[in-house]
Amino acid sequence: GEDVEQSLFLSVREGDSSVINCTYTDSSSTYLYWYKQEPGAGLQLLTYIFSNMDMKQDQRLTVLLNKKDKHLSLRIADTQTGDSAIYFCAERSGTGGFKTIFGAGTRLFVKA
Amino acid sequence: GAGVSQSPSNKVTEKGKDVELRCDPISGHTALYWYRQSLGQGLEFLIYFQGNSAPDKSGLPSDRFSAERTGGSVSTLTIQRTQQEDSAVYLCASRSGLAESSEQFFGPGTRLTVL
Repeated sequence: GEDVEQSLFLSVREGDSSVINCTYTDSSSTYLYWYKQEPGAGLQLLTYIFSNMDMKQDQRLTVLLNKKDKHLSLRIADTQTGDSAIYFCAERSGTGGFKTIFGAGTRLFVKA
Repeated sequence: GAGVSQSPSNKVTEKGKDVELRCDPISGHTALYWYRQSLGQGLEFLIYFQGNSAPDKSGLPSDRFSAERTGGSVSTLTIQRTQQEDSAVYLCASRSGLAESSEQFFGPGTRLTVL
């Protein structure tokens, strides 16, 4: 079945770049997403990329997609303490309707 | 309302009891999802409803779990004969049928504790 995997923990210093990686198994994925969950809050969409794109940039966020390797990454430039949160990678299957599979989430800890 | 709401926000129950969790999606959103987030675990897909189509129940972990969506709006997730392993945060999300990105909007969740 579909699976999405990501590392569970990342620690960076304030001002550095953060790179969160994700791999997925469904080759028919149409959209891939990054959601952010702040402590005690619900998930919010950060950004997404369509599967025919390689890269998407949105202010401090850069998403890279390697469709051949089924690898997705999120780079946060100039990481701030307010970026501390759990980041979920998710993929929407092209064959499963609008079913979306989420990874386990990467907890980003930003040290001042 | 402005966003997805869920009730109750917290529910403590005894093992073996039934519980009902409610989700009010964003008005006009055609799709509704239920997920389970266990401590230290990711988001586990449970079920999703899309318009009048038959729901995708492929993520329900056992036949103790069921969900309904009445009138294409409010949804109720029911867990019968609760077990301690059912303790988790249950998240609901809704999605507009019109958005190209298919963004899901999440509610704050219901934290279920089974004693």
